[in-house]
Amino acid sequence: DGGITQSPKYLFRKEGQNVTLSCEQNLNHDAMYWYRQDPGQGLRLIYYSQIVNDFQKGDIAEGYSVSREKKESFPLTVTSAQKNPTAFYLCASNSRSAGQPQHFGDGTRLSIL
Amino acid sequence: EDQVTQSPEALRLQEGESSSLNCSYTVSGLRGLFWYRQDPGKGPEFLFTLYSAGEEKEKERLKATLTKKESFLHITAPKPEDSATYLCAVQSAKEYGNKLVFGAGTILRVKS
Repeated sequence: DGGITQSPKYLFRKEGQNVTLSCEQNLNHDAMYWYRQDPGQGLRLIYYSQIVNDFQKGDIAEGYSVSREKKESFPLTVTSAQKNPTAFYLCASNSRSAGQPQHFGDGTRLSIL
Repeated sequence: EDQVTQSPEALRLQEGESSSLNCSYTVSGLRGLFWYRQDPGKGPEFLFTLYSAGEEKEKERLKATLTKKESFLHITAPKPEDSATYLCAVQSAKEYGNKLVFGAGTILRVKS
């Protein structure tokens, strides 16, 4: 079945450490997105990519980095510059056609050790 | 700036007690309004897309409607398995990249 796979499901970060969250999709979608979800808040956009080798900052990009070397993959690195990384991270994808819904993976929960 | 406000923040219903969730929005040219369902510890699951005022979509006990300023998600005779957080999001025709702006969600609990 087609879908979006995020790994790991749970991740722990030590002080000063960079960690990378994986997102893979087999839906043949051009566009991919990373969101952060905190309790009581809506999803906030971190980075997005409409095509391979191109990506744009979202609303809360500081302390994060991404790459888009393959259509299927859009990994997110949470750097040590992100001072409050504890959150639920969600990856999504859709086609580039206007008005198409985004489809989500099941998330990675990141916590500080 | 595009904005989405959902109300109420939380809703408790008895099984069979119908109700509605509200999503008010301001957007520069609506390209689409989306409803999602999210279970604890899971990613959002797509429910509906609405594109223009007057449009309605139905799926089992759920019905979504759209006006120029808000959308409603009507839940008819809910069951405990309908308990979840319901998210609303809008896509602007003036934003690059098909980005979505989300509301904070409504937490629905249905008791048997």
